[in-house]
Amino acid sequence: SQQGEEDPQALSIQEGENATMNCSYKTSINNLQWYRQNSGRGLVHLILIRSNEREKHSGRLRVTLDTSKKSSSLLITASRAADTASYFCATPSIQGAQKLVFGQGTRLTINP
Amino acid sequence: DAGITQSPRYKITETGRQVTLMCHQTWSHSYMFWYRQDLGHGLRLIYYSAAADITDKGEVPDGYVVSRSKTENFPLTLESATRSQTSVYFCASSESLMQTQYFGPGTRLLVL
Repeated sequence: SQQGEEDPQALSIQEGENATMNCSYKTSINNLQWYRQNSGRGLVHLILIRSNEREKHSGRLRVTLDTSKKSSSLLITASRAADTASYFCATPSIQGAQKLVFGQGTRLTINP
Repeated sequence: DAGITQSPRYKITETGRQVTLMCHQTWSHSYMFWYRQDLGHGLRLIYYSAAADITDKGEVPDGYVVSRSKTENFPLTLESATRSQTSVYFCASSESLMQTQYFGPGTRLLVL
């Protein structure tokens, strides 16, 4: 029932640079969510973007959604060391009852 | 103001033993979820519950049992633990099936 897949699997950048992560999915969705997971912790919800929205902002985060390409991107601007974490997109499952399915995540490392 | 808690945070057990992981939420969310997180597999849904006394299987339910006698609690039981059940287990809750999920801190389980 895998739906969303993040790309790249790992990303390492210098503090202050922008980080972009992508998520591709297979079927129509009504919303897509992004979560962050710090090492050893649970996932934390970042942004939910609905299918009729093309872009959404939250602080230094910008999420875009292109339903024609079945893809979303998460941009973190002016990255900080505290942004080091894994980032997951979550989309509705393909099979069975509608449930959220999480991708395997992008591991982001911000180097000081 | 506790939100969602899990206990124990760490557990070591032996093959064949019964283990119960506890999850408690204070928001009165209808939905609760159990996931396991393993390297190479991301986050996989074990079971979920739509309300008290209503539970349903997720992607990897074999070897696990759940119950939900009260809205705020959602225990996960490994009836006879196996080494393949060594993992990090996360509980989550949400108001509805496709909306934001709120995660607990996780339980690290090692089965020897």
